[in-house]
Amino acid sequence: AQKITQTQPGMFVQEKEAVTLDCTYDTSDPSYGLFWYKQPSSGEMIFLIYQGSYDQQNATEGRYSLNFQKARKSANLVISASQLGDSAMYFCAMRDPYGNNRLAFGKGNQVVVIP
Amino acid sequence: DSGVTQTPKHLITATGQRVTLRCSPRSGDLSVYWYQQSLDQGLQFLIQYYNGEERAKGNILERFSAQQFPDLHSELNLSSLELGDSALYFCASSDPDLGYTFGSGTRLTVV
Repeated sequence: AQKITQTQPGMFVQEKEAVTLDCTYDTSDPSYGLFWYKQPSSGEMIFLIYQGSYDQQNATEGRYSLNFQKARKSANLVISASQLGDSAMYFCAMRDPYGNNRLAFGKGNQVVVIP
Repeated sequence: DSGVTQTPKHLITATGQRVTLRCSPRSGDLSVYWYQQSLDQGLQFLIQYYNGEERAKGNILERFSAQQFPDLHSELNLSSLELGDSALYFCASSDPDLGYTFGSGTRLTVV
């Protein structure tokens, strides 16, 4: 079974600073996909970034980048130049190709951006 | 608007009752996934449908059932509700190229 681990406690980040959210995963499948989602207090799940296991380069999407270290089985999310609107829960998820591509989620990281 | 529509947004009901949550996937997506998000369990996969057929089951209680209709919308039926069923229920649809899109969720409160 696939497992996603997010263990950081809630984080306070100064506006305009960068923040790194840790995610480690465990899988025996050679082909997998990793996702990060943002969940603000309003509740919706917002897709941020995707990294495929065979992708040669780390994924980037605007202020979001993924520090993918395959050998260490980690996929940390980096948010640069934090904004007040970045305050939210952040979830790391893995696609389970043997589970009909359902997503397995970590417990999430709470981020609060302070001015 | 993500393209995935969930109704209702909020639902308050009493223990022992039955409710139906509805999901319309993004246009063209054949797969629908249901997830439950509670404070103690986090985000848990419940069930998946693909083009009308059940494809995978996760941590779904026997009191819960789902189906996907010919127009691809899906319904999640929750019966004999308990206080512990209070949660945010998400529907997501997926496309091989576009990935997963989540609806805005239905917040169920059982009192």
